[in-house]
Amino acid sequence: DAGVIQSPRHEVTEMGQEVTLRCKPISGHDYLFWYRQTMMRGLELLIYFNNNVPIDDSGMPEDRFSAKMPNASFSTLKIQPSEPRDSAVYFCASGRQYAQPQHFGDGTRLSIL
Amino acid sequence: DQQVKQNSPSLSVQEGRISILNCDYTNSMFDYFLWYKKYPAEGPTFLISISSIKDKNEDGRFTVFLNKSAKHLSLHIVPSQPGDSAVYFCAASLSGNTPLVFGKGTRLSVIA
Repeated sequence: DAGVIQSPRHEVTEMGQEVTLRCKPISGHDYLFWYRQTMMRGLELLIYFNNNVPIDDSGMPEDRFSAKMPNASFSTLKIQPSEPRDSAVYFCASGRQYAQPQHFGDGTRLSIL
Repeated sequence: DQQVKQNSPSLSVQEGRISILNCDYTNSMFDYFLWYKKYPAEGPTFLISISSIKDKNEDGRFTVFLNKSAKHLSLHIVPSQPGDSAVYFCAASLSGNTPLVFGKGTRLSVIA
């Protein structure tokens, strides 16, 4: 079991650039979650998918954020255009049910200059 | 409006003593609770859970207590070890059928 794999681990880019974060969930997990961690707000749920279908994106902060899951083994979170306030650690997690222990990736630390 | 609150951002404990991490929730419909542990530069990892039909769940050195009337849960670590130094997140769900709502975390430092 390889665990949830996220890439890149670190991303530094300039304001206005497009950022794409990637996630490979654990095989067999039907749910995929994207979270953002900041000092102020802690761990926030941005969006989650069930069987590759987005179920709830109410946590996505703005239209600049979008997420896709084209197949069961891959998801992306895109920010376009990026802004300094998007700087945070972004986690992907997968699980067999909504709340049964989710397995987290090691995160992408995003810095927007 | 935080539904899950961890009011202590940090806690320091001597090695060998008990660590008690607290969590309060506002939604009385929550009935499934989890604790996650997070080391720097890693993702959170599941530690222990409890459903509302129980008031205590133990796993080795880790015990979670649930007080439904007070809408409060706590994680006890006995004895505390330096390797327990991490950020601990409390999370809650409705019947396991809704996504987890996380607290902001408490940073535990176990001093040798």
